[in-house]
Amino acid sequence: DAMVIQNPRYQVTQFGKPVTLSCSQTLNHNVMYWYQQKSSQAPKLLFHYYDKDFNNEADTPDNFQSRRPNTSFCFLDIRSPGLGDAAMYLCATNSGEATNEQFFGPGTRLTVL
Amino acid sequence: GEDVEQSLFLSVREGDSSVINCTYTDSSSTYLYWYKQEPGAGLQLLTYIFSNMDMKQDQRLTVLLNKKDKHLSLRIADTQTGDSAIYFCAETTRNNDMRFGAGTRLTVKP
Repeated sequence: DAMVIQNPRYQVTQFGKPVTLSCSQTLNHNVMYWYQQKSSQAPKLLFHYYDKDFNNEADTPDNFQSRRPNTSFCFLDIRSPGLGDAAMYLCATNSGEATNEQFFGPGTRLTVL
Repeated sequence: GEDVEQSLFLSVREGDSSVINCTYTDSSSTYLYWYKQEPGAGLQLLTYIFSNMDMKQDQRLTVLLNKKDKHLSLRIADTQTGDSAIYFCAETTRNNDMRFGAGTRLTVKP
């Protein structure tokens, strides 16, 4: 089945220790997104790629970076995680069709010790 | 304001109807969406409505759209315990991104 896969599902890191979260998709969609979701809050868009074009949200901290080496993979790098970065990180894709539907992965829950 | 607003919690009894309400912000949104998130899972699209419609029905789900008041609702008929989840309302933004509400946690009691 075509899908969005996120690894790992659970990630524990130490304060200040760089961490990378990964997302892959078999849908061959042009657009990929990274969201941060904290408890009882709306998913917050961090950035997205339209093909190789990177679009950063204005309020995304510099601590968060992303890479998209090819259509299928997208990575979220957190250079120096703080306690406030503990959250669920959701990857999503979009085919660019008129309905603008986004397809989500299961998320990676990041814990910062 | 800039936030999509939803009540945080709703509790119903099994077999009753559930109505989840949402107020969105952007009157130019082309589509409005309802997503469902089960524990430990990502968001799954339940249904969407095109902005020139005022109602859409899909089996047990009915979506009502009031563009004048920027109000969207999701009605689930004959609610089952498997419907327990968090339901997110979302609108498209001018950048063609998606803006989500904080989600309504639906609890279905047997």
